[in-house]
Amino acid sequence: NAGVTQTPKFQVLKTGQSMTLQCAQDMNHEYMSWYRQDPGMGLRLIHYSVGAGITDQGEVPNGYNVSRSTTEDFPLRLLSAAPSQTSVYFCASIPFGGARGTQYFGPGTRLLVL
Amino acid sequence: GDSVVQTEGQVLPSEGDSLIVNCSYETTQYPSLFWYVQYPGEGPQLHLKAMKANDKGRNKGFEAMYRKETTSFHLEKDSVQESDSAVYFCALSAPYSGAGSYQLTFGKGTKLSVIP
Repeated sequence: NAGVTQTPKFQVLKTGQSMTLQCAQDMNHEYMSWYRQDPGMGLRLIHYSVGAGITDQGEVPNGYNVSRSTTEDFPLRLLSAAPSQTSVYFCASIPFGGARGTQYFGPGTRLLVL
Repeated sequence: GDSVVQTEGQVLPSEGDSLIVNCSYETTQYPSLFWYVQYPGEGPQLHLKAMKANDKGRNKGFEAMYRKETTSFHLEKDSVQESDSAVYFCALSAPYSGAGSYQLTFGKGTKLSVIP
């Protein structure tokens, strides 16, 4: 199993550009989520999904869009990038019935918005 | 809402020193408690956990006791090594219904830099 994979590893955008951060897992996990990590702020939940076709907002959803058409994939879309979205983004997954709180994180995507 | 407060910033023990990283939590629920560790260039990974009061999580010489009476989950180690250097996050998961029960609330992280 590859676990949770994320692409790209690093991206530079200009203000106003759009892009999609990819996340995939091959563990057949139902629950998937996106976090952003900023210095001194810890990890903050952006969006999450409990299964294909079902998504919901987390703590900091503004400026981001998600969809979940398959169990494996959970892309995060930036509709119009802003410098405040410069961050490191992590995708994570959990199997339903798995130990609560035991999330499997991907390696992250580092995003710089100029 | 739920919150986690932990030792802020960076701690700089020397190799062989003892370590305590403080973690306090606040929630109206009965949570499970976790420490996650993040090495440079990687995503966080589960380090240890405690699912109920008076449980002790253990991993690689680290320990943390779930103390409900003081709402704390401090991370301790008797003798740190250079290889322990990483960022450590305290987190809680509260038993809300549905998907809420899978969500984690994280502290802001503590960077441990062990001096060789």
